[in-house]
Order: sequence, then C-alpha cells, then structure tokens
Amino acid sequence: AQSVTQPDIHITVSEGASLELRCNYSYGATPYLFWYVQSPGQGLQLLLKYFSGDTLVQGIKGFEAEFKRSQSSFNLRKPSVHWSDAAEYFCAVTGNGNKLVFGAGTILRVKS
Amino acid sequence: GAVVSQHPSRVICKSGTSVKIECRSLDFQATTMFWYRQFPKQSLMLMATSNEGSKATYEQGVEKDKFLINHASLTLSTLTVTSAHPEDSSFYICSARRSGNEQYFGPGTRLTVT
Repeated sequence: AQSVTQPDIHITVSEGASLELRCNYSYGATPYLFWYVQSPGQGLQLLLKYFSGDTLVQGIKGFEAEFKRSQSSFNLRKPSVHWSDAAEYFCAVTGNGNKLVFGAGTILRVKS
Repeated sequence: GAVVSQHPSRVICKSGTSVKIECRSLDFQATTMFWYRQFPKQSLMLMATSNEGSKATYEQGVEKDKFLINHASLTLSTLTVTSAHPEDSSFYICSARRSGNEQYFGPGTRLTVT
C-alpha cells in the first residue's frame, strides 16, 4: 500500500529565506505525486504535480519540487518565502487511477 | 477551469439529526468524486469514492449506513451524515476527477454537531 511521510510537522522560516519541505513516499510502481496547500478553514489548492518526464517540476506561486526516485522523495522548494505562504502543505501520492494518499502535513510559519 | 463547489460551507446541527452536504463540479463532468474527512490539525482521510450512477466504495472503518453518498449526475455528489453525533463534527472535503489522475478539491464544509 502506498504511504507518504512528511517528517516535519512545523517549520518556521524568515520572510525572504529559502524553504524546503520534505516528502518521502512509498509506492510499488511509478507514482503520481502532488503538493497541495491549505489555508485555515479552506480546501486544498494544487501547487504542482509530477506524472512523468522532467524530474524538476515548476508550480504556482514560485514553488518547485524535485522527484528523486532513488530517494523516494518529492521535496517542495521555494527560493524566497513570502508572508502569504504561511499555510499547511500536504504531499500526496497516487497510482494510475487510484485514490490519493496524503501525508500528515507540514505547517509553515513565516516570521517577519 | 476545474472548479468544485461545496454547500453549505458551514453547518451546525443538533445531535440525532441528518445533514446533507453537496459537492458540485461547476465547469466539467466528474467521472469520479471523492469524500474526505479532516480532523483538526490532521491530514485528509478518504472516506469513500463514488462514480456516477453506481454505489459508492467506502474505506475500511467508514460506516456506509451513517455516511450516505449519492452520485446522481456527473456534476453532483451528496454526502448525508445520518443521525449525527458530536464525534461526527469535522471538516468534510470533496474532490472531483474528470480524467487522468488529478483531483480538484472543493472548499470544504465545517460540520458542528451540538
């Protein structure tokens, strides 16, 4: 069965600093990987996704993620964080046509 | 494109009553819709998967008689929480998939049972 681990429950970064949120997955075949962001009391917004091809994927709001098969990782990065990026971030994995499995989430705090 | 709405956004009901939550895909036809539940400070847990015109598939541990799902059309799925109790209070989120592997999420419904 597939699973997703987000090792960091909370991360605090200064505004303007770089950000990396970690995600490790477990899946027996080629995974489809996603990063979502959720503001308090809101639904999920898709930041980016990886299906195949280039392992470095660009998303919205200046986010990018790199798929590393050898490490079973799909870490999310942003070179310069803005205060509006404070939210909870979820990594998710699915197989072809199968259900999404989410990680536990990482809460990002941005200090000015 | 690919907008999903949920109604209501918030609902408060008394213990023992039933509540219906609607999930609509506004600008596409959804072959499959999903219902998730999210407890405070926790991740989303899939409750059930529904395909238009067929019975929903429930995840292990989810009571199908308590959480009734109807997917009557390609743009509408409903979740009815029957005989709600305070422990059913949660954030319910739906998503819709039109093809491929991407799901589009609704804004969620906050259910509070008093």
